[in-house]
Amino acid sequence: NAGVTQTPKFQVLKTGQSMTLQCAQDMNHEYMSWYRQDPGMGLRLIHYSVGAGITDQGEVPNGYNVSRSTTEDFPLRLLSAAPSQTSVYFCASSPGQGMVNNQPQHFGDGTRLSIL
Amino acid sequence: AQSVAQPEDQVNVAEGNPLTVKCTYSVSGNPYLFWYVQYPNRGLQFLLKYITGDNLVKGSYGFEAEFNKSQTSFHLKKPSALVSDSALYFCAVRGSNDYKLSFGAGTTVTVRA
Repeated sequence: NAGVTQTPKFQVLKTGQSMTLQCAQDMNHEYMSWYRQDPGMGLRLIHYSVGAGITDQGEVPNGYNVSRSTTEDFPLRLLSAAPSQTSVYFCASSPGQGMVNNQPQHFGDGTRLSIL
Repeated sequence: AQSVAQPEDQVNVAEGNPLTVKCTYSVSGNPYLFWYVQYPNRGLQFLLKYITGDNLVKGSYGFEAEFNKSQTSFHLKKPSALVSDSALYFCAVRGSNDYKLSFGAGTTVTVRA
């Protein structure tokens, strides 16, 4: 029972490089989301998706792109990495759809990203 | 806009003593409230939630939380803390008509033996 799987676990990039953070879940959850965690700031929502083909912006979307071509996968792309994007990134998923979503989210173990 | 405040960055208690982690929230409409715990180098784990009904909610590992609508609070409690409860705790809120989940800044709990 894998749950939410994030790869890679660690990554170091140079400013201006691009990369994709992978997220996959095997629970057939409709809702998936990406957060970044910075000290003293909790988790901030980057992008989210309520189902395949549907994505929307969260609190801090600038510099990040997402797509949702399948229910299982929700990759996060950094097009041109900046030092301000150094953070720990978490992917999460939950069941349910529609406007009323009271289900807890299942989190991956995170990707620790450093931008030099 | 919805928001969560966790007024204490750190809470220190002795093992066996009661533990309380405070949380207040602001949201439009009815709130859905959650508590999560994070251990080092791991993702967040769900502890408990309040959706509707009884104001006292019981969750995993002996934790409970009390919803207070008039004070817009959702404090996490445990009657007798364990050293293994030492971790980072997050409160989160979602409006009943909103997809977005907002987190507090987190409270580090240290339980000393």
